Parts: sequence; structure tokens; C-alpha cells
Amino acid sequence: AQSVSQHNHHVILSEAASLELGCNYSYGGTVNLFWYVQYPGQHLQLLLKYFSGDPLVKGIKGFEAEFIKSKFSFNLRKPSVQWSDTAEYFCAVNARSNYQLIWGAGTKLIIKP
Amino acid sequence: EAQVTQNPRYLITVTGKKLTVTCSQNMNHEYMSWYRQDPGLGLRQIYYSMNVEVTDKGDVPEGYKVSRKEKRNFPLILESPSPNQTSLYFCASSSPSAGPYNEQFFGPGTRLTVL
Repeated sequence: AQSVSQHNHHVILSEAASLELGCNYSYGGTVNLFWYVQYPGQHLQLLLKYFSGDPLVKGIKGFEAEFIKSKFSFNLRKPSVQWSDTAEYFCAVNARSNYQLIWGAGTKLIIKP
Repeated sequence: EAQVTQNPRYLITVTGKKLTVTCSQNMNHEYMSWYRQDPGLGLRQIYYSMNVEVTDKGDVPEGYKVSRKEKRNFPLILESPSPNQTSLYFCASSSPSAGPYNEQFFGPGTRLTVL
């Protein structure tokens, strides 16, 4: 069965620190990859997505993610985090053969001011 | 404005009292889905619908029902709620026919407490 694994459930960083959140998936076929963000008290919003082409994709608010096919990974990065990045981040994968999104368990990110 | 709406946003009820959470989207999306979000478990899909009158079970369908009589609406029904259904519920929609990205758009969530 397809699955998505997010390596860290909780991450605490200071402002201006660099961020990398891990995401690995298990599926041998072609996939679409997503990172969603959920700010406190709000609904999920799309941060960035990968469909094809350049494996380094840029999203909103300075986030980027790199798709490494050989490692089945789609890690999220940001060079310098801000207090406003405090949120929960979800990785999701969609196998091209169907419309279902498979979700990771989420990573709660807390940025200390 | 393109959006997914859910009502109510907050609900406290008692065990066994039937309830319905409504979901509506104005983007003419074919696909709609219900998720529940619980701490440490991420989002788990309850039911989904590929189009009008087409629904199917997700990963955690027990205790829930859905219907899709119109394209824009996808209500979630709890016939006899139990405390283990206390959770945050999200409705989402997407349009697979619009392209391969299949980005899902989410409603604001419904926080349900069953006493």
C-alpha cells in the first residue's frame, strides 16, 4: 500500500534558522507531490507542488522543495524561517493512476522569536 | 470567490444524536472528499466522491455516511455519533479533469465534540 512518511512530528527552531522537513513516500509509479501548510486555527493551504520538470520547486513564502526520485523523497526547505512560519506542515502524494491523496502525519513547526 | 464552505464550524453534541455537517464548493469540481484530522495521525480520508451519485469509502468510513445528489454539495452524516468521532473534519474538492496536478482545496474545518 502507498504511504507517506514525515520524519519529524515536532520541530522547534529559532528565527533565521534554516529549515528542512523530510518527506518520503512509497510508490513505484509516477506521482504528484504536495506540501500543504496549516496555520493555527486555519484550514490547509497549498504551499507548493511538483508534477514534472525541474525537481526543485518553489512555493509561496520562500519555501522550496526538492524531488529526488531515487530516494522517493520530497523534502521541504526554507533558508531562513520567521516566527510567522509556525504551523503544521503536511506532505501528500497522489499517484497518477488515481485521484487519491495519501497524507503524511504532519510536522508541527514552532519558531521561537 | 472560489471556495469550499463547511457548516457548522463548531459543534458540541451528545452520543447518539444524529448530525449532519454540510460541505459546498463553487468551483464545479467533480471530486469531493471528507477527512478527519487527529493529533499525530495527520489527515485520514473518510469518504470521497468522484462525481454526482458516485461515492466510495476512504480509510476510516465506519460510523459515517455521505451523499452526493448535487455536484456542489457533499454532506457528512453521523447517524449515531460516539465520543471517538470527536475530531476536526475537513471537506476538500478538486477537479481531476482540469489537469494532472489534482490540487485539493479545503474548507475551513468543523470541530466536532461528542460527549
